Amino acid sequence: GDSVTQMEGPVTLSEEAFLTINCTYTATGYPSLFWYVQYPGEGLQLLLKATKADDKGSNKGFEATYRKETTSFHLEKGSVQVSDSAVYFCALSALDMDTGRRALTFGSGTRLQVQP
Amino acid sequence: NAGVTQTPKFQVLKTGQSMTLQCAQDMNHNSMYWYRQDPGMGLRLIYYSASEGTTDKGEVPNGYNVSRLNKREFSLRLESAAPSQTSVYFCASSEASYEQFFGPGTRLTVL
Repeated sequence: GDSVTQMEGPVTLSEEAFLTINCTYTATGYPSLFWYVQYPGEGLQLLLKATKADDKGSNKGFEATYRKETTSFHLEKGSVQVSDSAVYFCALSALDMDTGRRALTFGSGTRLQVQP
Repeated sequence: NAGVTQTPKFQVLKTGQSMTLQCAQDMNHNSMYWYRQDPGMGLRLIYYSASEGTTDKGEVPNGYNVSRLNKREFSLRLESAAPSQTSVYFCASSEASYEQFFGPGTRLTVL
């Protein structure tokens, strides 16, 4: 079945440091890829997405590029802020050919802690 | 627009008790979902509803039932709660864009 693997956390960085959170996936067909962010005590919010190979999703200074050849969708930000402290989830959406359903498969999440 | 709303925010149950988690969305989405979130395991799909009147099992449906009451509302019921069902429960909705919109969650503890 489909799966998403993320780097283990927590990731602890100083403010203005460069961030990379690795994400790789396994899927049949052509999935769409997402990064969701969860701030403390809240639900998940979509951060960015990419729907086909070589697409780059970007939002709030975060970027991720859909790399089909390496089955990866790594999240990057050039200069993190304390307010970026949250849990980040990589996810894929693929069509289940048996059920006709399209649903999200999530990675286990990576906690980011940014220190002032 | 309120987006996706969930009630209650917190709940403590004793083993064997029953309860229903409520979810509603005001975005006119066809699809709705229930997930549970456990430490180190991401989100796992319990049940989903592709459209009004239909429901299907997800990855971890045992011990749960759902009802798609109408297009707006999708409830999750625990008939006989067990400590293994201690978790944070999220409802979500989506349309053809595949992006899912999440509610704020219900934190459930089963003693």
